[in-house]
Amino acid sequence: GNSVTQMEGPVTLSEEAFLTINCTYTATGYPSLFWYVQYPGEGLQLLLKATKADDKGSNKGFEATYRKETTSFHLEKGSVQVSDSAVYFCALSTPNFGNEKLTFGTGTRLTIIP
Amino acid sequence: DVKVTQSSRYLVKRTGEKVFLECVQDMDHENMFWYRQDPGLGLRLIYFSYDVKMKEKGDIPEGYSVSREKKERFSLILESASTNQTSMYLCASTTRDWEFFGPGTRLTVL
Repeated sequence: GNSVTQMEGPVTLSEEAFLTINCTYTATGYPSLFWYVQYPGEGLQLLLKATKADDKGSNKGFEATYRKETTSFHLEKGSVQVSDSAVYFCALSTPNFGNEKLTFGTGTRLTIIP
Repeated sequence: DVKVTQSSRYLVKRTGEKVFLECVQDMDHENMFWYRQDPGLGLRLIYFSYDVKMKEKGDIPEGYSVSREKKERFSLILESASTNQTSMYLCASTTRDWEFFGPGTRLTVL
């Protein structure tokens, strides 16, 4: 079955530091990959996605590249801000004729210190 | 903007009570999902629905049921709430590969 393994948190960084949150996956077929972000007190928001190998998703300074050879989709940001403090979830879905559903990782809590 | 709303942000119920969690979306999406979110476990799928009156079990359906009488509304029902159902419940509505989440309902069962 499908599964997602992501870096355990919590992760604490200083403002302007470089961020990497690791994510690897196991899936049958050719999954689409996602990063979601959950800010305090809110639901999840889609941060970025990639639908095929070597695609790079990017949004708000975050990037992640779909690496089929290493089954990975690591999230990176060059210079984090206090406002990036949130919980980040890696997820995948596999094609199912329009009825795809997501499999999530356990989430990584990120705290940025001024 | 797509909007997914949930009936309550916080809810406190007693063991044995019947609990209804409501979710409404305003974008005519066919697919809707209920998850629960617990620390260290991430999001786990409880039930989902691909169309009105259709429902399918997710990974942890035990103790829950759902209702989808109208396209825009997907209800999660706890027939007899138990303390191990204390959790954050998230509803989602989706296009082909873009999910929109509601703000969540934090349910406490005493």
